[in-house]
Amino acid sequence: ETGVTQTPRHLVMGMTNKKSLKCEQHLGHNAMYWYKQSAKKPLELMFVYSLEERVENNSVPSRFSPECPNSSHLFLHLHTLQPEDSALYLCASNLYGSFGYTFGSGTRLTVV
Amino acid sequence: DQQVKQNSPSLSVQEGRISILNCDYTNSMFDYFLWYKKYPAEGPTFLISISSIKDKNEDGRFTVFLNKSAKHLSLHIVPSQPGDSAVYFCAAMGETSGSRLTFGEGTQLTVNP
Repeated sequence: ETGVTQTPRHLVMGMTNKKSLKCEQHLGHNAMYWYKQSAKKPLELMFVYSLEERVENNSVPSRFSPECPNSSHLFLHLHTLQPEDSALYLCASNLYGSFGYTFGSGTRLTVV
Repeated sequence: DQQVKQNSPSLSVQEGRISILNCDYTNSMFDYFLWYKKYPAEGPTFLISISSIKDKNEDGRFTVFLNKSAKHLSLHIVPSQPGDSAVYFCAAMGETSGSRLTFGEGTQLTVNP
């Protein structure tokens, strides 16, 4: 356990479903991130919440919707996904301005 | 525009020999570089880092070298062990990117007994 917990670990969903990924950290960090890892591609930054302000990657489709109710919790709400959205979704956190992140173990998402 | 590139998707070495993983970057504003290691079904874990004011940082079997003029860094693992078999990601950050890391594609290292 790294201190960043992601649930569920695996998720299979249909293209018409709505689901949410959850990330939780109790490391005292004040910045949280969602990354997408597809095979043979760089980790792609999707969203940043730092000091509870959201910064977006404008290339992320609107079918992904983040929510950060407090500095310890981060959600990624999913709706009407496409098969190409199947990937490993990683949550990370740090103290804003510090070097490096602590990652969770990820949610392996499969869209059918 | 991919700012951090790892051109070798895979590398295979014999146990006890040296593993050299390479990374190139294009953004001259990057001033801090990190290597992460990832096992299957786990998230990446921090391995070693280097600031742009240095050209070498060593931690046990792991050494990172930075060549700023070539915008190139490398990770040396010596001696390599089977437990080192994992995907290694290079990452970079700079003042203008806040705390955001930009990652390469990763290199799958396999160390054969």
